[in-house]
Amino acid sequence: NAGVTQTPKFQVLKTGQSMTLQCAQDMNHNSMYWYRQDPGMGLRLIYYSASEGTTDKGEVPNGYNVSRLNKREFSLRLESAAPSQTSVYFCASSSGGARRNQPQHFGDGTRLSIL
Amino acid sequence: RKEVEQDPGPFNVPEGATVAFNCTYSNSASQSFFWYRQDCRKEPKLLMSVYSSGNEDGRFTAQLNRASQYISLLIRDSKLSDSATYLCVVNYILIKAAGNKLTFGGGTRVLVKP
Repeated sequence: NAGVTQTPKFQVLKTGQSMTLQCAQDMNHNSMYWYRQDPGMGLRLIYYSASEGTTDKGEVPNGYNVSRLNKREFSLRLESAAPSQTSVYFCASSSGGARRNQPQHFGDGTRLSIL
Repeated sequence: RKEVEQDPGPFNVPEGATVAFNCTYSNSASQSFFWYRQDCRKEPKLLMSVYSSGNEDGRFTAQLNRASQYISLLIRDSKLSDSATYLCVVNYILIKAAGNKLTFGGGTRVLVKP
């Protein structure tokens, strides 16, 4: 019953370092999403992929890139990490397509600190 | 103005009592609505969808008022385990893409006390 799996769960980076957050889902969902959540704020959409082969910017895309590697996997890359990117990152997936009124299912998050 | 607004609380609720709170949304084109629950430092988990006619799931009742653009959540017979942050989520179907976009409220914190 894996659902949405994110790796790593925790990471500490130095300013300027790069890293990739991995996300995989086993629910055969078409759409995948990356969010960040900061203290006192709601979840904010960084990027999403409505279907395999497509990606689009969300509300806060600056400083990030994404890759929809295949239907299962959607990665988020920080090319040059900045302290402002310290956050909890959640990956989510949903049916998409003809079932776009369905809810999203979330991974258990990656806690990222940038010093 | 935020697209989805919630009272952040906290709502301090005696065990066994009823608590209710609302969420307002600004985009009248919103297609579907959900309540998610989020425990401290955990991922959001779907609590229930919200249907136009209102719906109930055990001790939880959700209502939608499209005319006034708000949804509500009522919890009856509150349990200690109901302590969490409740996120109001509004779903927009994307015309251009094949996906959908969820917009989250900031959450309402509920603390159930013995």
